[in-house]
Amino acid sequence: DIQLTQSPSFLSASVGDRVTITCRASQVLNTYLAWYQQKPGKAPKLLIYGASTLQSGVPSRFSGSGSGTEITLTISSLQPEDFATYYCQQLNRYHLTFGGGTKVEIK
Amino acid sequence: QVQLQESGPGLVKPSETLSLTCSVSGDSISGYYWSWIRQPPGKGLEWIGYIYYLGSTNYNPSLKSRVTMSVDTSNNQFSLKLSSVTAADTAVYYCARYDSRKQLDYWGQGTLVTVSS
Repeated sequence: DIQLTQSPSFLSASVGDRVTITCRASQVLNTYLAWYQQKPGKAPKLLIYGASTLQSGVPSRFSGSGSGTEITLTISSLQPEDFATYYCQQLNRYHLTFGGGTKVEIK
Repeated sequence: QVQLQESGPGLVKPSETLSLTCSVSGDSISGYYWSWIRQPPGKGLEWIGYIYYLGSTNYNPSLKSRVTMSVDTSNNQFSLKLSSVTAADTAVYYCARYDSRKQLDYWGQGTLVTVSS
């Protein structure tokens, strides 16, 4: 199965900062990809699918890009409600895999 | 709006079987895949498997020997059984809808299952 490695695993940033999270795969990725946001004590929330399509209702400051073995999640201007843990996820050979997560905390 | 709700015992003894049900409201269970994901305390997400509404399944290879999923379309529910549990199976268990394009687009709130004697 494909392994997903997120970097960084921890990120300290300020409100208004531009933040980029990377998800690297052990093999070339297909289009069955997603990014999720999880806040403490809550279920993950779908942000982006297909590597770059914003889920309905998600603010436009979130964007996704990438192909090959690397995708990225960018938050153009970090807001207080964006402090959370972010996970990438992919489907390959009928199996789902998650990255290890990136925790975004307030500097 | 699709809503999912997990239910089941919050405490399971070691070596016993963990059983959870996910009730779906707001849409029919038909036509979709339905998934279970778990998250040990303080750790990341682990996919357990998914089941199509017609009953076909795919499981995480690391859990496959202990996992059984089933679906009850008449009650709009699907279920998870995990056998021979140990403390390592202590986690928050989430159910979610799997869409081939959007991936996991609707999630339940999660339920904590603790394995302890």
